[in-house]
Amino acid sequence: GAVVSQHPSWVICKSGTSVKIECRSLDFQATTMFWYRQFPKQSLMLMATSNEGSKATYEQGVEKDKFLINHASLTLSTLTVTSAHPEDSSFYICSAYPGLAGAGAGELFFGEGSRLTVL
Amino acid sequence: AQSVTQPDIHITVSEGASLELRCNYSYGATPYLFWYVQSPGQGLQLLLKYFSGDTLVQGIKGFEAEFKRSQSSFNLRKPSVHWSDAAEYFCAVGARGFKTIFGAGTRLFVKA
Repeated sequence: GAVVSQHPSWVICKSGTSVKIECRSLDFQATTMFWYRQFPKQSLMLMATSNEGSKATYEQGVEKDKFLINHASLTLSTLTVTSAHPEDSSFYICSAYPGLAGAGAGELFFGEGSRLTVL
Repeated sequence: AQSVTQPDIHITVSEGASLELRCNYSYGATPYLFWYVQSPGQGLQLLLKYFSGDTLVQGIKGFEAEFKRSQSSFNLRKPSVHWSDAAEYFCAVGARGFKTIFGAGTRLFVKA
């Protein structure tokens, strides 16, 4: 099946620094990628929709300047947590959408997630 | 707006017993429906999906789900639970090429 890879799997950083998380679709092109945030023992909260070559669409309540999303190519989207603070600590999961044709049509494929801990 | 409700925060079943996890959705058009499983600290694994056609969907690991439009439900079932099934289960609803919204999740505990 389609594979989506996230890197890093986990990261620890100091408060005030910025952290970049990459999401790659390894064997398909993804015109759309989604970023989710998951707090401990809670569900996935959609943060933003990322379309290749255009600005991301953020969900209500998500700070655009805090969570910078770039979708520079059909196989790569990045999430940068800027000036991270302890409350940004969370599990971040990306998903990629391969389109409506072929295997996996209409389905989202998820990365393994990236656990961010801000000290 | 689309939404998903999983009424049960957690469920405990005995190993070998049957399982049913409930999911109700709200969506204005024909939904895409999914069930995912997540083990602690891990990403999501797709169990099964419904797009159209037969309303009884078979998935991996012996799971199945039935789409009932009249009840706006997509309940997940398994006839005999194994200890390795203990995990968090998420129901999700999405649209073609659009964002997928997740329910709050149901944690499954399996007792010996």
